Amino acid sequence: DAGVIQSPRHEVTEMGQEVTLRCKPISGHDYLFWYRQTMMRGLELLIYFNNNVPIDDSGMPEDRFSAKMPNASFSTLKIQPSEPRDSAVYFCASSPLLRSGTGYSNYGYTFGSGTRLTVV
Amino acid sequence: AQKVTQAQTEISVVEKEDVTLDCVYETRDTTYYLFWYKQPPSGELVFLIRRNSFDEQNEISGRYSWNFQKSTSSFNFTITASQVVDSAVYFCALSEHQGGSEKLVFGKGTKLTVNP
Repeated sequence: DAGVIQSPRHEVTEMGQEVTLRCKPISGHDYLFWYRQTMMRGLELLIYFNNNVPIDDSGMPEDRFSAKMPNASFSTLKIQPSEPRDSAVYFCASSPLLRSGTGYSNYGYTFGSGTRLTVV
Repeated sequence: AQKVTQAQTEISVVEKEDVTLDCVYETRDTTYYLFWYKQPPSGELVFLIRRNSFDEQNEISGRYSWNFQKSTSSFNFTITASQVVDSAVYFCALSEHQGGSEKLVFGKGTKLTVNP
């Protein structure tokens, strides 16, 4: 498997423009997560999906942020309008169902390479 | 609310030294998962290990070992005979199981520098 694929790797945009980040999860994974990483706040969960349905979007900063998962193999995170404070690395991650009863399982969330967003 | 504390912001060692990265967590749930991730200078997040709350066995994988102690809510990570390639930021993370939550909450990370 190619892993979690994110695009673009780098994005530079002007304040006020719309930005769309894309993610292709690992085939068969039930969960998809969007994280943001900044020096000040570290790694923050923005939203996650289970079987394409948004489960928890409490981490989305404000209405300028929206995320969709139209099918099991694709998700987008959109910022409109973008602001300089949105500059960060955005990670997408996917995971199979974690709960395995009392069994021991040595897998975890697989992260994509991230999109480095710079809003000027 | 769940919380992960990595008190060591930065650690610097000389190659071949052993180093332990501390992780202390807080959770109200009895079933949860603990993780360690590595973020090298290239920026990707690399999964190292996942531990279930009901499995307190220590884990060893090559030069890496993990010590999980529920009594002290700690999940420490030791690198034996460190190498320059171990230089990275290491994150401890916690995921709760109950209540349908699958959130992964990260600590602030510990930056490890291994000098030749």
